[in-house]
Amino acid sequence: EPVMTQSPATLSVSPGERVTLSCRASQSVNSNLAWYQQKRGQAPRLLIYDATTRATGIPARFSGSGSGTEFSLTISSLQSEDFAVYYCQQYNNWPPYTFGQGTKLEIK
Amino acid sequence: QVQLQESGPGLVKPSGTLSLTCTVSGGAIGSRNWWSWLRQTPEKGLEWIGEIYQTGSTNYNPSLKSRVTIVIDKSKNQFSLRLTSVTAADTALYYCARPLPSGYFDPWGQGILVTVSS
Repeated sequence: EPVMTQSPATLSVSPGERVTLSCRASQSVNSNLAWYQQKRGQAPRLLIYDATTRATGIPARFSGSGSGTEFSLTISSLQSEDFAVYYCQQYNNWPPYTFGQGTKLEIK
Repeated sequence: QVQLQESGPGLVKPSGTLSLTCTVSGGAIGSRNWWSWLRQTPEKGLEWIGEIYQTGSTNYNPSLKSRVTIVIDKSKNQFSLRLTSVTAADTALYYCARPLPSGYFDPWGQGILVTVSS
């Protein structure tokens, strides 16, 4: 099963900044990758699927890129509501579906 | 739109059986969808447990397969998780979710915390 590794574990950024989060797969997952946002006390929320497609209702400041083993989630201008934990998930080789350990965005 | 809600005991004794139910609203559970259970712990993060189709066909995480059963009750628009021989390592926030055709999850239930303790 592919192991998903996210970096960094924590990122301190200021509102308005552009930020890029990374996710690496231990083997190719093609473009079968999703990104989720999880705020404290809430369930994960789908942001991006198929590596680059925004889910319904997701603002355009969120964008995904990559294929194979290297993926990125970019937030073009951080808003206060974007400070959360972000997870990547592969669905190319299953069972099982596997998730990264998450990147926490915190306010600098 | 489809909404999911987990329910069940929040405390299970070690060596006992964890049983949770997910109630689906806003859509028929038998509408050509798979339905999944996942869990989250600080130590292991998000972990997929398994899934069930409307026909009753299932897929399980190999790491949990010997202890997991997922069943569906279309008459109640519910699907359920059963995890046997639980230990403290099974203490987690348990989620039900709908895997969309390719395998990403949307929506998720709000989650239910289950603690394994005597």
